[in-house]
Amino acid sequence: GQQVMQIPQYQHVQEGEDFTTYCNSSTTLSNIQWYKQRPGGHPVFLIQLVKSGEVKKQKRLTFQFGEAKKNSSLHITATQTTDVGTYFCAGPPDRLFGNEKLTFGTGTRLTIIP
Amino acid sequence: NAGVTQTPKFRVLKTGQSMTLLCAQDMNHEYMYWYRQDPGMGLRLIHYSVGEGTTAKGEVPDGYNVSRLKKQNFLLGLESAAPSQTSVYFCASSSRDRGFVAEAFFGQGTRLTVV
Repeated sequence: GQQVMQIPQYQHVQEGEDFTTYCNSSTTLSNIQWYKQRPGGHPVFLIQLVKSGEVKKQKRLTFQFGEAKKNSSLHITATQTTDVGTYFCAGPPDRLFGNEKLTFGTGTRLTIIP
Repeated sequence: NAGVTQTPKFRVLKTGQSMTLLCAQDMNHEYMYWYRQDPGMGLRLIHYSVGEGTTAKGEVPDGYNVSRLKKQNFLLGLESAAPSQTSVYFCASSSRDRGFVAEAFFGQGTRLTVV
């Protein structure tokens, strides 16, 4: 079945440093979604990418969808303490049937050293 | 709007007991999902539903059953709880937008401990 892996599993950075998490799917995705989960909270939607090679920005966050639609990345510039949390990618498979199955990646937990 | 509501928020079960987790959404979403979250394992899909009266298996369906008798509700059942089912359970709902599964909205989670 479809597997979605993320690396790294954990990342500790000094406040102000940059952070990147990578998402890799075993199958082609119809779209990629990114979520953030604060400690003790529930996942909250950040963004969705649909097109091959698409790049979107939200302030200090840059999201990219791979050309083959099997990988994606999230880059945060100049991290702040408010960025703490676990970042998940998610995506349904790109196929005619069963493309509602929203599979999540393993997540990257970001901690910030003040 | 309440969004997605899960009940209960916490529960302790003894091995072999049964229980039902309820998920309710008020956004008229077609799709509903049940995930479990364990440390270091991310969110693993248990079962999902693409509409009233339909259900499908996810990645880790064994030991769980689901039902979607009404569009707004998605029930997750544990017939005979086992310690391995100790986890945090999240329900989510979503709609379809321009041919794609849209943003998923999550409930607050249910922390289940099986002793």
